[in-house]
Amino acid sequence: QKEVEQDPGPLSVPEGAIVSLNCTYSNSAFQYFMWYRQYSRKGPELLMYTYSSGNKEDGRFTAQVDKSSKYISLFIRDSQPSDSATYLCAMSAYSSASKIIFGSGTRLSIRP
Amino acid sequence: DSGVTQTPKHLITATGQRVTLRCSPRSGDLSVYWYQQSLDQGLQFLIQYYNGEERAKGNILERFSAQQFPDLHSELNLSSLELGDSALYFCASSVGSGVGNTIYFGEGSWLTVV
Repeated sequence: QKEVEQDPGPLSVPEGAIVSLNCTYSNSAFQYFMWYRQYSRKGPELLMYTYSSGNKEDGRFTAQVDKSSKYISLFIRDSQPSDSATYLCAMSAYSSASKIIFGSGTRLSIRP
Repeated sequence: DSGVTQTPKHLITATGQRVTLRCSPRSGDLSVYWYQQSLDQGLQFLIQYYNGEERAKGNILERFSAQQFPDLHSELNLSSLELGDSALYFCASSVGSGVGNTIYFGEGSWLTVV
């Protein structure tokens, strides 16, 4: 079993819908949580960073961490075709960036 | 544009050969990371350098090696290549080495081993 599990999708939703992307994990020591967006043929780019539990909002994006359930989510409101990409969750138990473990990514497609 | 430059973007080589991937980090970034991304393994951390010195090692094969030069650019050397080494190799950089520092990824080098 992988430490970080992520549904690969693909997930297809109409423009304007609320998108929910999720990851589960097994290591209760994880305390740093991130979401990356990766467009086709590009490198990942950091979207959200959260330390420990709780919610964090940035524009149309909201990240949620539920450590009791070992579950993290990324919500995208008013989804746009430009949001079509692969979304990778990432997490770490340590403060060193070299210890970040990435999920395998969920491919998201927003239909105009 | 992340500011991280990788060359070459694509390369095709035969099994048993050796290749060198090059990376120029963002201006001012001292940490350089190398990752391998494949369909079955996802994004895997290989190695990190900080200001010229090796800082951390991940799932890097003995056939692979890397270095960071005084001007902070980095090279990843892959030798005795096997079909299974075909993947997208990313270089990334950040100002520091803590998890709170944003890691900026290059566009990757596509390696195909035939």
